[in-house]
Amino acid sequence: QVTLKESGPGILQPSQTLSLTCSFSGFSLSTYGMCVGWIRQSSGKGLEWLANIWWNDDKYYNPSLKNRLTISKDTSNNQAFLKITNMDTADTATYYCARRVDYGAYYWGQGVMVTVSS
Amino acid sequence: DTVLTQSPALAVSPGERVSISCRASEGVNSYMHWYQQKPGQQPKLLIYKASNLASGVPARFSGSGSGTDFTLTIDPVEADDTATYFCQQSWNDPRTFGGGTKLELK
Repeated sequence: QVTLKESGPGILQPSQTLSLTCSFSGFSLSTYGMCVGWIRQSSGKGLEWLANIWWNDDKYYNPSLKNRLTISKDTSNNQAFLKITNMDTADTATYYCARRVDYGAYYWGQGVMVTVSS
Repeated sequence: DTVLTQSPALAVSPGERVSISCRASEGVNSYMHWYQQKPGQQPKLLIYKASNLASGVPARFSGSGSGTDFTLTIDPVEADDTATYFCQQSWNDPRTFGGGTKLELK
């Protein structure tokens, strides 16, 4: 059974760095062709793809945020991570991780709400 | 970026057929996927790669199209189909989503 679950701080202040963890089970990110992606959803911008990380450690970022994003993984512990630097109120959103975004993401986490406020 | 354009909202009666369109600003081959999202829930995959029904999704849902024009069809519509429907392309970088079509039942 495949599951994914996001975790994060909930609230942070402008200019801080957001660190998100996606803990998953039922698959391995070391399996050929596997990929985990991060997507966020805010009321102002709808769904926005942020980044993908692949089984071979290839990483792809949304250019609109590329300078602020870092995606990584811990294959041994079945986790993927996303860091976003210099957070702003416009980054307030629900952040999701999902499996195999490029092929139609069948499995999503429940999402974690992140609020940026001073 | 590849812009995906969807109609903001549709209203249909139960039992009717509804088609939800998604137009891409540039070709995406067949790499268009469709999701259903209900309030407070994560998106649910309905159709992958334009026309493939995701596991467990009722056959009332179908997808068609290629290139720049894609359609999600629900036939017949049921009350539980009230939701927002998003298209997503994974052919061009960056991956993008449509703005969503809110389906309401009369």
